[in-house]
Amino acid sequence: NAGVTQTPKFQVLKTGQSMTLQCAQDMNHNSMYWYRQDPGMGLRLIYYSASEGTTDKGEVPNGYNVSRLNKREFSLRLESAAPSQTSVYFCASSETLRNYGYTFGSGTRLTVV
Amino acid sequence: DQQVKQNSPSLSVQEGRISILNCDYTNSMFDYFLWYKKYPAEGPTFLISISSIKDKNEDGRFTVFLNKSAKHLSLHIVPSQPGDSAVYFCAASEYSGAGSYQLTFGKGTKLSVIP
Repeated sequence: NAGVTQTPKFQVLKTGQSMTLQCAQDMNHNSMYWYRQDPGMGLRLIYYSASEGTTDKGEVPNGYNVSRLNKREFSLRLESAAPSQTSVYFCASSETLRNYGYTFGSGTRLTVV
Repeated sequence: DQQVKQNSPSLSVQEGRISILNCDYTNSMFDYFLWYKKYPAEGPTFLISISSIKDKNEDGRFTVFLNKSAKHLSLHIVPSQPGDSAVYFCAASEYSGAGSYQLTFGKGTKLSVIP
């Protein structure tokens, strides 16, 4: 099915380890986003990419870096994981027509111990 | 400070009755509003939206109402069905440049429809 694919689905990291969350979309969307969801906090924007070659900070960017590898792929990197980064991470994409909002991936559940 | 607020963390409704989910916002720059539905272990999925120039949008059993003066919107589900049990997120959109629109989400309301 067309949509947004995130890998991995689950990950456990030790404090201080690094990892990259991968995201790819096949809908030819221009914009891509990374959100995190924490209990009682809703979805908060970490970084976004308005178009290929651009990235910008969202509401909670500290501790993260992103790369818009090409139009399809947008990765999120944790350089030195901390327990506060335990969360569910969602990637999303959108085209310029915003009537239908974003398309989300199924999420990556990350636990930092 | 929260720009999009969903003050009810949870709501229980009998099957067949109306479900009303509420959302308030503070940012006057928001010009498009959306509702997303989320099942456990899945990503949010788009449900219905409304432009700020309208006050009502209907799609089958789902209707969204917007009161701009009160900075308030609501989602009505009639009749409610057990399959509607999910977390509902209110989201508001503003243009962030280069063809991109940032969404700001509320904390969500967990709807339980009791058979």
